[in-house]
Amino acid sequence: KNQVEQSPQSLIILEGKNCTLQCNYTVSPFSNLRWYKQDTGRGPVSLTIMTFSENTKSNGRYTATLDADTKQSSLHITASQLSDSASYICVVPGTYKYIFGTGTRLKVLA
Amino acid sequence: DVKVTQSSRYLVKRTGEKVFLECVQDMDHENMFWYRQDPGLGLRLIYFSYDVKMKEKGDIPEGYSVSREKKERFSLILESASTNQTSMYLCASSDYWTVAGSQETQYFGPGTRLLVL
Repeated sequence: KNQVEQSPQSLIILEGKNCTLQCNYTVSPFSNLRWYKQDTGRGPVSLTIMTFSENTKSNGRYTATLDADTKQSSLHITASQLSDSASYICVVPGTYKYIFGTGTRLKVLA
Repeated sequence: DVKVTQSSRYLVKRTGEKVFLECVQDMDHENMFWYRQDPGLGLRLIYFSYDVKMKEKGDIPEGYSVSREKKERFSLILESASTNQTSMYLCASSDYWTVAGSQETQYFGPGTRLLVL
């Protein structure tokens, strides 16, 4: 069964600290994996896309990794800011539809 | 920039009412989607459309219908709203799809928070 699982469900960190969010997937065939950021009450916005051949990709303070062998991805946030408080959703395209994880809710405290 | 707009940010309806949620995208995208998002369940696909007048059921189509008369517009209809349809509704669009899976980014609207009393 095609599935995307994320951990942890929620996370609280202090401003300035780093954190890592995890995504495991069982979608086949696999072509790419995306991370979205969703602010409270808003629609998700794409942060990064990882294709099969990519291992690491950075977007400012966000760094995504992909291990296609173990079917795992991570999103690392460096020097967190209050504006990073949001839900982070991992998405993998399946056959004619997208498979969504349930997200990690991150809260950054001052 | 791609823009996906939804007709309402917040909506309050009574049980049994017919509800229309409208979504418009301005990038000439082929695919459009309707999701609902509930705490702990993530995004669940209600319906999607890959072309004008075409529609496909998603994972939870019961109690919903859709209409796509024009390429840029995709409407979600709740024929008779019920309290268990209280949720956040998200519309999205993306460009073409390949059998191997889409490389195209899915763009989301701001969402409509629907409360059914």
